[in-house]
Amino acid sequence: AQKITQTQPGMFVQEKEAVTLDCTYDTSDQSYGLFWYKQPSSGEMIFLIYQGSYDEQNATEGRYSLNFQKARKSANLVISASQLGDSAMYFCAMREGTGNFNKFYFGSGTKLNVKP
Amino acid sequence: GAVVSQHPSRVICKSGTSVKIECRSLDFQATTMFWYRQFPKQSLMLMATSNEGSKATYEQGVEKDKFLINHASLTLSTLTVTSAHPEDSSFYICSAPLWGGSTEAFFGQGTRLTVV
Repeated sequence: AQKITQTQPGMFVQEKEAVTLDCTYDTSDQSYGLFWYKQPSSGEMIFLIYQGSYDEQNATEGRYSLNFQKARKSANLVISASQLGDSAMYFCAMREGTGNFNKFYFGSGTKLNVKP
Repeated sequence: GAVVSQHPSRVICKSGTSVKIECRSLDFQATTMFWYRQFPKQSLMLMATSNEGSKATYEQGVEKDKFLINHASLTLSTLTVTSAHPEDSSFYICSAPLWGGSTEAFFGQGTRLTVV
């Protein structure tokens, strides 16, 4: 079974509007971390936001927020006030366990296009 | 902040030759590094976990004799693609976690390998 599922291969959003990128995950661990990374065409992986499984509040980082619904095992990324520079691939990832040294599982990604 | 430097960013080589990719942690010690492979428009697939001073752990289906990993110091891991073939053409990217501190994994800039 897929550990991370991103069901939106591509998304379009109008500049200045908000957009939600979907992510569901599958784990039997009680402790895990959920991450979102942005990958522009240059290929680098840019960390956006992190949510720990025990965090009760949804994580926020500037224009990024993570809609964490533990019972549904979903960790959707919300980007508010989209900008042209937000056009990129977005990957949801999970790391099981408590250590920083456990491996990541990545979703298949969502390509976001922001229209002017 | 923590930085992981990967070199080269792009390389073109002839079939049958070997290519070495370096991944360096610039301001922290990385006892563990991860090597990923990414095909165009696909997700990152973990190839192996590199451990300083010991043998790398390879994921199922990854040929360890073809993808040689050496983690000789606390700041350097290398991936050597031996006897490269056109099907080895891909984007390779490394990452390194931190002891304590930030939960995110820091990624190198990636290496785009083209085998002709």
